[in-house]
Amino acid sequence: GESVGLHLPTLSVQEGDNSIINCAYSNSASDYFIWYKQESGKGPQFIIDIRSNMDKRQGQRVTVLLNKTVKHLSLQIAATQPGDSAVYFCAENFYDNAGNMLTFGGGTRLMVKP
Amino acid sequence: DSGVTQTPKHLITATGQRVTLRCSPRSGDLSVYWYQQSLDQGLQFLIQYYNGEERAKGNILERFSAQQFPDLHSELNLSSLELGDSALYFCASSVVGYGYTFGSGTRLTVV
Repeated sequence: GESVGLHLPTLSVQEGDNSIINCAYSNSASDYFIWYKQESGKGPQFIIDIRSNMDKRQGQRVTVLLNKTVKHLSLQIAATQPGDSAVYFCAENFYDNAGNMLTFGGGTRLMVKP
Repeated sequence: DSGVTQTPKHLITATGQRVTLRCSPRSGDLSVYWYQQSLDQGLQFLIQYYNGEERAKGNILERFSAQQFPDLHSELNLSSLELGDSALYFCASSVVGYGYTFGSGTRLTVV
């Protein structure tokens, strides 16, 4: 199947358990963050976003936490399902003289065991 | 369907050749971004256009170029192709830096 990286960190969880995927971002000036899910052979799919003036945002079964002090972002998935198996990327948006740019972290592979 | 359309889905070509990848952004989005995804480098930002003008450049090779047309669709041109250019190429569109939506990508194989 499609692979987005030979050496991705992998998180393996049991179906029904909660998953936490972590991400360290690089730019303290980043003002907007997004979590994407990428399944084999498909493009990144938006999951949830958060702006830098917030520290928590909840969606359906997903929660994003932002800690600007340590430049850390996490994605929590409640009651993980087999369909959640994918590679998850965090992305940060920042502006510089050239315009705005969305840069991605290296990704984490989530494997859900039935 | 994300609303961002990329063509072709697959492309196989020989080294030294030139190809053009096409992207139609989501309706209403003025910004288009191109990314390259290879096995060992994840998603790498290449270039951004906003309403027809280049706005930001990432690690894009000189052999690569892009443009955005008045109807807002964008093309990424890859020339003098090398084996290492084999990758997935994604286009994303957004409304000025928020709500980035990705297309399903073009898989380029250089043989």
